[in-house]
Formats: sequence, structure tokens, C-alpha cells
Amino acid sequence: DIQMTQSPSSLSASVGDRVTITCRASQSIGVFLNWYQRKPEKAPKLLISAASTLQGGVPSRFSGSGSGTDFTLTISSLQPEDFATYYCQQGYGIPYTFGQGTKLEIK
Amino acid sequence: QVQLQESGPGLVKPSETLSLTCTVSGGSINNYYWSWIRRPAGKGLEWIGRIYTSGYTDYNPSLKSRLSMSVDTSKNQFSLRLASVTAADTAVYYCASSAASYFDSWGQGTLVTVSS
Repeated sequence: DIQMTQSPSSLSASVGDRVTITCRASQSIGVFLNWYQRKPEKAPKLLISAASTLQGGVPSRFSGSGSGTDFTLTISSLQPEDFATYYCQQGYGIPYTFGQGTKLEIK
Repeated sequence: QVQLQESGPGLVKPSETLSLTCTVSGGSINNYYWSWIRRPAGKGLEWIGRIYTSGYTDYNPSLKSRLSMSVDTSKNQFSLRLASVTAADTAVYYCASSAASYFDSWGQGTLVTVSS
């Protein structure tokens, strides 16, 4: 299985901050990397597919980059509704695997 | 985007079979992959497996020996059966759709507890 390692596991930040979450794959996965946002009691939401393709309706303050084994999710200016848990997921090979999550909390 | 809703018992006894159904609304179940994903308490997400509307399946090897999935296109539903459950199978279970290798719609999730 391809192992996905996210860092940090938790992060405290303030509204307006720029935040970066990293995800590393145990082998090269090209750009088969996706990012999700999960809030309590809500369905997880796909934010970015193929490493950098922003999904419809997702604010432009979210961006993704990377290829091969190293990827980043950046939120350029945190808004109150962005405090949530974020996961990366590799779509290169089955079984699909996720990072352990990054919990973004209000400072 | 379609809407998905998980349903099934919230409590299952050890050694019994966990059964869940996902109902798809707002669109057709045809020509898509339908996945199950779970999140044990305090842990990350685990992909369980997927089924195509033809009935073709891919399962996570870690669960394959206990796993069965099915699809009922007439009801716009697909189902999961996980046999011989233990406390380690306690988790929030999500159903999700995918046309490619990402999950574009998810259900809200349902908590399944394995306990006697």
C-alpha cells in the first residue's frame, strides 16, 4: 500500500493567516493527489483533485501544488469557516489511502 | 452532485455481520464507482472498497476476506456487508461516489459500534 504522511497533525492559526499543509507519499504518485475538508456532522468535501485542480464552488483562497511524492495545500487567508480537518488521498493505486489528517484550530 | 445517505444498525455484536446501505438521490447510480470509507475514532480515513454499477468490485486487501458489496440500480442503492466484526471495526462509515480516483460526493456518515 502507498503510505500518505501529512504534517502537521494539528495546527493553530488565526483568521487571515496563510496556512500550508504538506502531504508526502511513500512512492511517486504523479499528480494523483486529492484534498478533502471534513467538519463535524457534515459530509466530507472534495476541495482539490489531481494535485491542483480546484473543485467548483471552492474559494480561490485554497490552492494545491506538487507532484511525485511531495504535495501542499495552502489556504491564503484563513476564514472562520475554514477551521476543520483536512485530508490528502492518493488515487494512484488501489487500495486508495489517506493521510492521517490535519486538524486546523482557531488560535 | 448527487446526495448520499447511509443507513443501517448503529450497534452490531462481535462476530456478527455489519450491514449498511447507501441511497443515492438527485441523480442516477449508473456509470459511477461507489465506495465505502470509514473513520475509526481518533484515527484517519480508511478506504474499504468500491463497486461499479456493473457489479465489478475492488476491495481493500486488509478487509477483503470479510467484505462483500452489492448494488441495486432499480433502487439507486448500494450496500456493504462486513463479516466477523470486532471492536476494531467500530467507526463512522461513509459512502461516496467517484467517476475517477477521487471522491466527489460523500454521505454524512453513520456511526457503527461493535459491542456486546
